[in-house]
Amino acid sequence: GQQLNQSPQSMFIQEGEDVSMNCTSSSIFNTWLWYKQDPGEGPVLLIALYKAGELTSNGRLTAQFGITRKDSFLNISASIPSDVGIYFCAGQPGGTSYGKLTFGQGTILTVHP
Amino acid sequence: GAVVSQHPSWVICKSGTSVKIECRSLDFQATTMFWYRQFPKQSLMLMATSNEGSKATYEQGVEKDKFLINHASLTLSTLTVTSAHPEDSSFYICSAFQGPKQPQHFGDGTRLSIL
Repeated sequence: GQQLNQSPQSMFIQEGEDVSMNCTSSSIFNTWLWYKQDPGEGPVLLIALYKAGELTSNGRLTAQFGITRKDSFLNISASIPSDVGIYFCAGQPGGTSYGKLTFGQGTILTVHP
Repeated sequence: GAVVSQHPSWVICKSGTSVKIECRSLDFQATTMFWYRQFPKQSLMLMATSNEGSKATYEQGVEKDKFLINHASLTLSTLTVTSAHPEDSSFYICSAFQGPKQPQHFGDGTRLSIL
């Protein structure tokens, strides 16, 4: 099935550094979602974006819904060890596919103390 | 926040066994639930869409007779892996969808190991 192009695939950073990851798509989405998944667990919602151009923050996390509706980015400021995990973007279309999510390949984040 | 409970967390069973996985939305009604499969170090792949009171819609390549889905109420969907074989071993995750302008919330997944 279709997947979003998420980059980078992995990041190795020092504690305190900022992180940026993004997703692009050839299709338009009505909603962009960012999730974090820890090993052996389900994805946990970080930020939901519902409007093109929307910029939303959740603590140290900031995400934006691209104006073209084909991309989104997630920034993490001042990373800490517990930020380690896999981050997934997900796009949700409208129309008959309403509710179905298309996921990016994930970004594996490693934070060194 | 919205909570989705998935049970069991892990299952180890012999080849040929059928395994049922439950997905419950604990504090909201979910007209639609989704079932995903995830292999190690890979993204989530949608298997099927489960709508309350109607037949599930399966993605291309997913055997509907192998993966039986029942969505009997607005808070419960079940996935039954029938006559499971080692190649069915995977991490299965459900999600519940509340509706417009609402995100999907995921269960904690079920690790299925078929010997």
